[in-house]
Amino acid sequence: AQSVTQPDIHITVSEGASLELRCNYSYGATPYLFWYVQSPGQGLQLLLKYFSGDTLVQGIKGFEAEFKRSQSSFNLRKPSVHWSDAAEYFCAVGLPITGTASKLTFGTGTRLQVTL
Amino acid sequence: NAGVTQTPKFQVLKTGQSMTLQCAQDMNHEYMSWYRQDPGMGLRLIHYSVGAGITDQGEVPNGYNVSRSTTEDFPLRLLSAAPSQTSVYFCASSYLRTSGSNTQYFGPGTRLTVL
Repeated sequence: AQSVTQPDIHITVSEGASLELRCNYSYGATPYLFWYVQSPGQGLQLLLKYFSGDTLVQGIKGFEAEFKRSQSSFNLRKPSVHWSDAAEYFCAVGLPITGTASKLTFGTGTRLQVTL
Repeated sequence: NAGVTQTPKFQVLKTGQSMTLQCAQDMNHEYMSWYRQDPGMGLRLIHYSVGAGITDQGEVPNGYNVSRSTTEDFPLRLLSAAPSQTSVYFCASSYLRTSGSNTQYFGPGTRLTVL
């Protein structure tokens, strides 16, 4: 069965600093990989996704992630964090069902705090 | 285009009561699913559906029933609520395509408390 590990429960960065959120996955085949963001009291919004091809994926809000098969990782990065990026971030791996739909397995999340 | 909508936003039940959480989408998505979110555990898949009349179990299906009579709606039923079902419930939907992207869109959630 697939699994996702986000080793950092809570991270604090200063506004303007760079950010890297870690994600490691366990899956037997080439995975579908996702990063979602959740603001307090809100639903989840997709930041970016990886299916195949270029291992560096660009997303919304200036985020990017790099798929490294050898390390089973899909870390999320942003060069300069804004106060509005404070939220909880979830990494997920998708198990294909049919077509391009997939059952998602989520990590436990990383809560990002941004100090001014 | 309202996207994925969920009702109610908040609900308090007593142990043993039944209720239905509603989920609807107006994007003509074939795939719909239900997740629950508990502190420190991320989101876990309860049930999913790949089209009207087709449903299947996810990771944590016990205590929940679903049906899919239309493309738009995917209600989640709790037949006899238990305190362990206190959680935030999210509905999600996406297209079923043979290639390309399959972004899952999430609803705003229903916060359920079972006393």
